[in-house]
Amino acid sequence: DTEVTQTPKHLVMGMTNKKSLKCEQHMGHRAMYWYKQKAKKPPELMFVYSYEKLSINESVPSRFSPECPNSSLLNLHLHALQPEDSALYLCASSLQGNYGYTFGSGTRLTVV
Amino acid sequence: AQKITQTQPGMFVQEKEAVTLDCTYDTSDQSYGLFWYKQPSSGEMIFLIYQGSYDEQNATEGRYSLNFQKARKSANLVISASQLGDSAMYFCAMREGRNTGGFKTIFGAGTRLFVKA
Repeated sequence: DTEVTQTPKHLVMGMTNKKSLKCEQHMGHRAMYWYKQKAKKPPELMFVYSYEKLSINESVPSRFSPECPNSSLLNLHLHALQPEDSALYLCASSLQGNYGYTFGSGTRLTVV
Repeated sequence: AQKITQTQPGMFVQEKEAVTLDCTYDTSDQSYGLFWYKQPSSGEMIFLIYQGSYDEQNATEGRYSLNFQKARKSANLVISASQLGDSAMYFCAMREGRNTGGFKTIFGAGTRLFVKA
């Protein structure tokens, strides 16, 4: 298995909703990442998990809450989002060290 | 602070010709990694090639090669024999620091490549 699976692929949510994005990989990668990408912009790093511990939080608002229940799974819990949070959310994983990331196909989130 | 600059918003290339996508970077770290990713219109990011800051040889992966000029802080991507399927957004990226478990990768603004038949 050489891929990162993200679900759902599309999500529409209201500003008062609570939802979660899920990311799963079975490549034995011990580093996992969440990126946010607005249209026609580069991905922006949100969170880094290393060996299931949060190692980097890029000053992300608390309405985004990451969770890493085990080495294969990464969640992003969403609560009270704003319309400007609408974006493509990309999950990625990598071996430690200087290896390229394997990205999932993303969740396209629309906040209404 | 680290920074990645891609100065070509869009590039056109004729099918079967080679094309160079420019990337310059800035970092105060001695140990860093440089990457190129491809993003087709479907949205998925695809890792293409990696160059370490201590690597003396330019990296190559099939039709992709990375022209690494450390003194000039440039890491240009060369795609040989372009194919229609190469039409996509290309991002240069840099990972800074050692493998301490908390490393960051940042991306340049990207270059949109259009391959003409």
